[in-house]
Amino acid sequence: DQQVKQNSPSLSVQEGRISILNCDYTNSMFDYFLWYKKYPAEGPTFLISISSIKDKNEDGRFTVFLNKSAKHLSLHIVPSQPGDSAVYFCAASRAGSARQLTFGSGTQLTVLP
Amino acid sequence: DGGITQSPKYLFRKEGQNVTLSCEQNLNHDAMYWYRQDPGQGLRLIYYSQIVNDFQKGDIAEGYSVSREKKESFPLTVTSAQKNPTAFYLCASSIESEAFFGQGTRLTVV
Repeated sequence: DQQVKQNSPSLSVQEGRISILNCDYTNSMFDYFLWYKKYPAEGPTFLISISSIKDKNEDGRFTVFLNKSAKHLSLHIVPSQPGDSAVYFCAASRAGSARQLTFGSGTQLTVLP
Repeated sequence: DGGITQSPKYLFRKEGQNVTLSCEQNLNHDAMYWYRQDPGQGLRLIYYSQIVNDFQKGDIAEGYSVSREKKESFPLTVTSAQKNPTAFYLCASSIESEAFFGQGTRLTVV
């Protein structure tokens, strides 16, 4: 039972345009959401996060939107750059003891020059 | 220079052998985790530890074992009971809700 889903395994975008990566979750107990970026043979690096008390968080070219009623979040990258090409993982956690992260399956973003 | 160090980066193991993957952190984080990544799948939690001398099974703990004798160290042993051990293994530590990852170990069973 996948609690965090990224239904698009891949996405290609032209340089300079907007990249929109989507993520859905099923567990209403999740209250904190994160996006990680991963290059091949490297560990994921934290990109941006959002708490369930907000619906938007922005950091430079990256914006995460949260729609709690739809249990949906998205990551917008504007403008997209070739260096953004990587696998993006959506992750969620809930208040409680371990705060372990539940990850989606990832979306491979390719930004074309 | 704070961070998480996993070693080795690449590891080959003969079928039927146990192997231990190292994970060390100098971030002074209490919580540490082991994840496994397979093609087309997300990061799946193997084991996690919130504090020294305590650890809990994650979603796919069968065939794995861990220890947490020191705050800085959280080694993972892949035993011969793990039926499909070839994968990319990631160690992480966390403070509050943000996890920091090591560079990963690619384990291949030959």
